Amino acid sequence: GAVVSQHPSRVICKSGTSVKIECRSLDFQATTMFWYRQFPKQSLMLMATSNEGSKATYEQGVEKDKFLINHASLTLSTLTVTSAHPEDSSFYICSAPTSGVGWNEQFFGPGTRLTVL
Amino acid sequence: AQTVTQSQPEMSVQEAETVTLSCTYDTSESDYYLFWYKQPPSRQMILVIRQEAYKQQNATENRFSVNFQKAAKSFSLKISDSQLGDAAMYFCAYRRLRGMRFGAGTRLTVKP
Repeated sequence: GAVVSQHPSRVICKSGTSVKIECRSLDFQATTMFWYRQFPKQSLMLMATSNEGSKATYEQGVEKDKFLINHASLTLSTLTVTSAHPEDSSFYICSAPTSGVGWNEQFFGPGTRLTVL
Repeated sequence: AQTVTQSQPEMSVQEAETVTLSCTYDTSESDYYLFWYKQPPSRQMILVIRQEAYKQQNATENRFSVNFQKAAKSFSLKISDSQLGDAAMYFCAYRRLRGMRFGAGTRLTVKP
């Protein structure tokens, strides 16, 4: 199947700093990517939809000024957590659906564990 | 809004036995897709099985099968001949136009 990578796999930062997480589709183009957040022992919650060449669409309750999303190319989306605070500590996962007619199977990245001190 | 409910936070099964994980969902759409994902300790999401709502036939993938009851909005996962490697969190998911909505998950333990 298709491969989605994320970088970094884990990051520790100080409160108040910004952190950028990259999501790449390695062997296919993705005009759309999704960002999820998973708190410990909880489910994945969709944060936003990243659209290549246009603004991201955020889910209700997600601060767009805090979680900046840029879909710079057909294979790369970035999530920047601005002015991170301890409550932003979480596991962030991206996914990308393959394009084409019929099935749009989503492939998930391995996730990024963010710890804000 | 679509909701996905997994009422079993934890389940346990003896190796080689069969276990069924429950999932119900709520939607007003007529055409949609349902999935079961496995999340092992590595946290990588792994697709187990999927079901198109327009198909009446239940999906099957080797030891994994679903019981899809569209009218009841039920989508359970049956794992036959359970193996130690099946131990993981299992999430039921509904595919929306924008991303997926996941259930709360069921932690499956496999006893040797």
